[in-house]
Amino acid sequence: DIQMTQSPSSLSASIGDRVTIACRASQGISSHLNWYQQKPGKTPKLLIYAASSLQNGVPSRFTGSSSGTDFTLTISSLQSEDFATYYCQQSYTTPRTFGQGTKVEFK
Amino acid sequence: QVQLVQSGAEVKKPGSSVKVSCKASGGTFSSYVISWVRQAPGQGPEWMGEIIPMFGTANYAQKFQGRVTITADESASTAYMELSSLRSEDTAVYYCARDQGVGAFGHYAFDMWGQGTMVTVSS
Repeated sequence: DIQMTQSPSSLSASIGDRVTIACRASQGISSHLNWYQQKPGKTPKLLIYAASSLQNGVPSRFTGSSSGTDFTLTISSLQSEDFATYYCQQSYTTPRTFGQGTKVEFK
Repeated sequence: QVQLVQSGAEVKKPGSSVKVSCKASGGTFSSYVISWVRQAPGQGPEWMGEIIPMFGTANYAQKFQGRVTITADESASTAYMELSSLRSEDTAVYYCARDQGVGAFGHYAFDMWGQGTMVTVSS
């Protein structure tokens, strides 16, 4: 199975901060990497697909990038509604696998 | 507007089985790739398996092989996930999700999720 490793597991930030979340795949997955946002008690929401494509309706402050097996989700200016847990997920092969999550908390 | 609506919460005894349903409204259910993903309290999501209703054959994660059965009823636009030999570690929210082609050919993502079904395994 392809292992997805996220870092950090949590971070504290303030409104307006630039936030970066990293995700590393245990083997090459090309650009088959998705990012989801999950708020407590809610279902995951697709933010970014194919490493850098913004899902319809998602604010442009969310961007995704990649370099080899390393992927990054960036929130350019953190808003109050962005406090949540973020997961990366590979769609290169089955079993689909997720990172363990990064919780973005208010500083 | 396509929606996935799941059955309600379940409380089960260790060793028993649970069957969760996922009904699709709108869209062409038969051609969807429906995955089942579970999330234990405080943990990340975990993929269990998938089915394409028009083909009927399921694909399972090795971890759940022999314990999980995923089926679909095209006439009812409903997918099912049955997990047997339940243990306390199976306590989780179980989601169905559509694994949809997105953007360029060959890219997939879970673009639609059911509301989740809480399964509690307790003696």
